[in-house]
Amino acid sequence: DGGITQSPKYLFRKEGQNVTLSCEQNLNHDAMYWYRQDPGQGLRLIYYSQIVNDFQKGDIAEGYSVSREKKESFPLTVTSAQKNPTAFYLCASSIGFGGAEAFFGQGTRLTVV
Amino acid sequence: DQQVKQNSPSLSVQEGRISILNCDYTNSMFDYFLWYKKYPAEGPTFLISISSIKDKNEDGRFTVFLNKSAKHLSLHIVPSQPGDSAVYFCAASVSGATNKLIFGTGTLLAVQP
Repeated sequence: DGGITQSPKYLFRKEGQNVTLSCEQNLNHDAMYWYRQDPGQGLRLIYYSQIVNDFQKGDIAEGYSVSREKKESFPLTVTSAQKNPTAFYLCASSIGFGGAEAFFGQGTRLTVV
Repeated sequence: DQQVKQNSPSLSVQEGRISILNCDYTNSMFDYFLWYKKYPAEGPTFLISISSIKDKNEDGRFTVFLNKSAKHLSLHIVPSQPGDSAVYFCAASVSGATNKLIFGTGTLLAVQP
């Protein structure tokens, strides 16, 4: 089955620790995205990548980092510099250029204590 | 600056009646619009989209209307079913170089049996 896999679904970390969220897709999509969802604020774009080895900051990139070494993978690292990391994180992918719908993973709920 | 706005945080409708969800946007460069449905703790699923060259797109019980002059789009669900109860997000993009989606804040639809 083709799709996007995010792991783990729930993640707990202590304050001050970096944590990496996994996102893998087997849809052969060029573009991948990371969004964050907070109550009442919809989905906000953190980072996106149109092709391998290239990525751009979204609207709320501070405190996050990404890599795109393989077409299938787009991991997100939440660093200790992120002031309010507890949130629901969503990874998505799309064909890329031109208007096209994005397909989402099931999300990772990160709780920092 | 919220480029995509959903001004109604919630909507309650009786089963069998029409649900109308609204969305406004400010960026006149947007030329592709999408609606997503989301259940709690899950990733959004794509529902329906519309290109700016059209003013209506229909898929079964779901119809999206686009009014470019008013920078407004709406999603009609007829007839509404209890399984439609979810948060609905509208999203917009400028197709071409980036293709990134900008989301609204969502509307929680409750369909009462």
